[in-house]
Formats: sequence, structure tokens, C-alpha cells
Amino acid sequence: DIQMTQSPSTLSASVGDRVTITCRASQSISSWLAWYQQKPGKAPKLLIYKASNLQSGVPSRFSGGGSGTEFTLTISSLQPDDFATYHCQQYKGFPYTFGQGTKLEIK
Amino acid sequence: QVQLQESGPGLVKPSQTLSLTCSVSGGSISSGGYYWSWIRQPAGKGLEWIGLLYSSGSTNYNPSLKSRLTIAMDTSKNHLSLNLTSVTAADTAVYYCARRIAAAGSGMDVWGQGTTVTVSS
Repeated sequence: DIQMTQSPSTLSASVGDRVTITCRASQSISSWLAWYQQKPGKAPKLLIYKASNLQSGVPSRFSGGGSGTEFTLTISSLQPDDFATYHCQQYKGFPYTFGQGTKLEIK
Repeated sequence: QVQLQESGPGLVKPSQTLSLTCSVSGGSISSGGYYWSWIRQPAGKGLEWIGLLYSSGSTNYNPSLKSRLTIAMDTSKNHLSLNLTSVTAADTAVYYCARRIAAAGSGMDVWGQGTTVTVSS
């Protein structure tokens, strides 16, 4: 299985901050990576696919980058609605695997 | 707009079979170009991909669950199903179904709201 490791596990930030979450794959996954946002009691929501493509309807303050084994999710200016847990997921090979999640908290 | 809704028993006894349904509305489950996945999440933990059903009806399962798992589609009811045999407390989780568009390398763009399953006697 391809292991996905996110860092940090928890991130404290303030409204207006620029934040970056990192996701590393145990082997190359090219650009077959997605990012999801999840709020408590809700299903995940697709933000970014194929590493850097913004899903329709997602605000442009979200951006994704990277390829191979290292990827980033950046939020350019945090809004109150952005405090949530973020998951990366590879779909280069089966089984699909997720990172352990990064909880973004209000400082 | 496609919507997904999971349903099933909230409580299952250990060693029994867990059966869940994901009803698809606003589109046909057998339309080409889609992958339909089941994903689960134990309370307070991360997401685990369970398996996938192609619109053709073929499947791909997580090896960690493969010996106990069946995912299938019922085109007459426009739903996909999950059967997991010999459940234990480790199978307690929120179970989600989700759609992925095969083309353009999309991620899982439509999710159900999830259904909570507890394995307990």
C-alpha cells in the first residue's frame, strides 16, 4: 500500500493567516492526489484534485501543488469557515489511501 | 445534481454481516464514466477506503477487507450495496459512499452524509 503522511497533525492559526499543509507519499504517485475538507459530523468535501486542480465552487484562496511524493495545500488568507480537518488522498494505485488528517484550529 | 444517501442498521452484533445501501438520485449508477466507492471513518480517526464499484459492475477491494467484503450494484433500484461479514468492534465507524468521475483525474466529488454503524452485542 502507498502510505500517505500529513504534517502537521494540528495547526493553530488566525483569520487572515496564510497556511500550508504538507502531504508525503511513500512512493511516487505522479499527480494523483486529492485534498478534502471535513467539518465535524459532516462528509468530506473535495477541494483539489490531480494535485493542483481547484474543484468547481471552491474558493480561490485554496491551492494545491506538488508532484511525485510531496504535495502541499495552501490557504492564502484563512476565513472563519476554513477551520476544519483536511485530508489528502492518493488515487494512483489500489488501495486508495488517505493521510491521517490535519486539524486546523483557531489560535 | 447527483445525490447519495447511505442507509442501514445502526447496530450489528459481532460475527454477523453488516449490510448497507447507498441510494443514488439525480443520475444512473450504471452510466459510464463513474466509480462508486465506500469509505469509512472510526470516531475520531482518519478515513479508510473500503472498495470501489465501476459503473460496469466490476469491483476493486481494499486487501485488508477483501475476504469479508462484497460491493454490488442494483440497477433496478439505482443503488450500490456493501456487505461485510464476520464484523467485530473494529468495524464500528461512519460509513460513506462517494462518487468519482473517471475522466480528467477527478477526486471523489459527491459524498453521502454517512451512516453510523456500531458493532456491539
